[in-house]
Amino acid sequence: KNQVEQSPQSLIILEGKNCTLQCNYTVSPFSNLRWYKQDTGRGPVSLTIMTFSENTKSNGRYTATLDADTKQSSLHITASQLSDSASYICVVITPNDYKLSFGAGTTVTVRA
Amino acid sequence: DSGVTQTPKHLITATGQRVTLRCSPRSGDLSVYWYQQSLDQGLQFLIQYYNGEERAKGNILERFSAQQFPDLHSELNLSSLELGDSALYFCASSAGSHTGELFFGEGSRLTVL
Repeated sequence: KNQVEQSPQSLIILEGKNCTLQCNYTVSPFSNLRWYKQDTGRGPVSLTIMTFSENTKSNGRYTATLDADTKQSSLHITASQLSDSASYICVVITPNDYKLSFGAGTTVTVRA
Repeated sequence: DSGVTQTPKHLITATGQRVTLRCSPRSGDLSVYWYQQSLDQGLQFLIQYYNGEERAKGNILERFSAQQFPDLHSELNLSSLELGDSALYFCASSAGSHTGELFFGEGSRLTVL
């Protein structure tokens, strides 16, 4: 069973609307949690990196939150644009071996 | 542009063959990571090199091998290819050995027929 579960698997939203993606993890302890954006057929690009002591971090219209007690993170996209269409991947890093555990990703499609 | 260069971008070959994928990390980065991403699957960690030495190993098959050269570029060798090896292979680099900020290349798409 994957240690990082993301939901939903995919979603479709209209341009200009907001959406929230979820990431639940069982990795413990962890060093930091990251969100990446991956355009189709391209390499992932880092959006946010949060340590276990941070609750929220923003990068433009992307805002990530973290609840280390419930082992949940979310990525909120505000005022979506067509260019936000991509896969969003949640990654958790463990502190001792610095192993990266990847979620399967949420595919977001923004329609005009 | 992440600064990580991967070649070739696309590769089509037959079962049983051997291929080599190449990665040049960002200038100054000492760590190189290889990942496999099959269709509609998440990224699977294969192996990490740091300054020429193997640092961590993931779910890498025995048919696969990698190395990092003195100039820090890395090669991933895939042999006795099977249909299931068709995937995107990503290289990423970071400055240190302990998985700092990762920068991914654009990937090499391997198709095994």
